[in-house]
Amino acid sequence: AQTVTQSQPEMSVQEAETVTLSCTYDTSESDYYLFWYKQPPSRQMILVIRQEAYKQQNATENRFSVNFQKAAKSFSLKISDSQLGDAAMYFCAYQGAQKLVFGQGTRLTINP
Amino acid sequence: DAGITQSPRYKITETGRQVTLMCHQTWSHSYMFWYRQDLGHGLRLIYYSAAADITDKGEVPDGYVVSRSKTENFPLTLESATRSQTSVYFCASSERSDPYEQYFGPGTRLTVT
Repeated sequence: AQTVTQSQPEMSVQEAETVTLSCTYDTSESDYYLFWYKQPPSRQMILVIRQEAYKQQNATENRFSVNFQKAAKSFSLKISDSQLGDAAMYFCAYQGAQKLVFGQGTRLTINP
Repeated sequence: DAGITQSPRYKITETGRQVTLMCHQTWSHSYMFWYRQDLGHGLRLIYYSAAADITDKGEVPDGYVVSRSKTENFPLTLESATRSQTSVYFCASSERSDPYEQYFGPGTRLTVT
């Protein structure tokens, strides 16, 4: 079975600085997708960014980018120019032939 | 409004009672999912449905029942609630089973006393 591991339960960063959230996964599949979801205090799950495994180029969405290392099964999220509104739980998720599998989450705090 | 909605948003019930959580989506998505979120576990899949009248178990199905008589609705029933089922429940939908974006509802916080 696929597993997703987020080794950082909590992270904090100064406003306007850059922070990287880590995620590793385990799979024997070759075709899959990876996602980062944001969950603010409202509990709404918001898709931040996604990466197709067959694409070598790292996905980017404005201030959010990923470092996808397929051989190492690593999928980190970099948030540049951190803003107070970025404070939330962040979940890494994997989807292959089976259903979406989530990591345990990382709570990100932004210090003003 | 268009989108995916859940009701109720908050529910307190007693051990042994039957509880039904509702999920409704207006996109006519084929696939719908139920997850529970507990501290330290992220979200875990309870049940999913590929279409009306087609459902299947996820990672943690015990104690739950689902049905899907209409494409837009996917209710989740706890037949005899237990304290271990205290959790936040999320419904989601997607257009197909391929790894496309799942759209999540706002969640239902259920407390079983």
